[in-house]
Amino acid sequence: GESVGLHLPTLSVQEGDNSIINCAYSNSASDYFIWYKQESGKGPQFIIDIRSNMDKRQGQRVTVLLNKTVKHLSLQIAATQPGDSAVYFCAEISAYNNNDMRFGAGTRLTVKP
Amino acid sequence: DSGVTQTPKHLITATGQRVTLRCSPRSGDLSVYWYQQSLDQGLQFLIQYYNGEERAKGNILERFSAQQFPDLHSELNLSSLELGDSALYFCASSVAASASSYNEQFFGPGTRLTVL
Repeated sequence: GESVGLHLPTLSVQEGDNSIINCAYSNSASDYFIWYKQESGKGPQFIIDIRSNMDKRQGQRVTVLLNKTVKHLSLQIAATQPGDSAVYFCAEISAYNNNDMRFGAGTRLTVKP
Repeated sequence: DSGVTQTPKHLITATGQRVTLRCSPRSGDLSVYWYQQSLDQGLQFLIQYYNGEERAKGNILERFSAQQFPDLHSELNLSSLELGDSALYFCASSVAASASSYNEQFFGPGTRLTVL
């Protein structure tokens, strides 16, 4: 998988625009999903999570959508700000598989002022 | 500041050596997770401890081991180091026993290990 150090998918948006970051997960038994933000030189930071019995969850300026049919997760950031610039990646956890945790390829979001 | 501390911040060592990374969880958190983030494999879950006991195991090599002490701090021991072990090592802590609980993990700043 890709990581913060390699060539990551990138998304460049203008300040104030909405951003959508996508993630394809691998385990159909995963029942809990998390989006993380990682700024350069820092550890991952929790943004929002969602259980598999939901298809949408909203936080402050962020929304996570889950489509179990196609194993797809997305993160929507409203009114993107320069401080949102970071690498974003998803995590999937399966309670059925002894809390097996997997992390998706990151996407580098750059917000232009 | 997440409240999770890790030491050292940087570590440079040679192949074949052994190192110990240390993590202090947030006050009140009973779970500690260890992760490896390398350039070619992204973030990988290694192991989790809850209140002193091993709780879950991920892609942890046999050369690596960890423990959680009565004061809840944790150490990750890496032995017979290879060039490919060079990576960022993060620990995270949470209150809950299970990673699948609706319970946020707080990550430390990481230890950058360079094996020469």
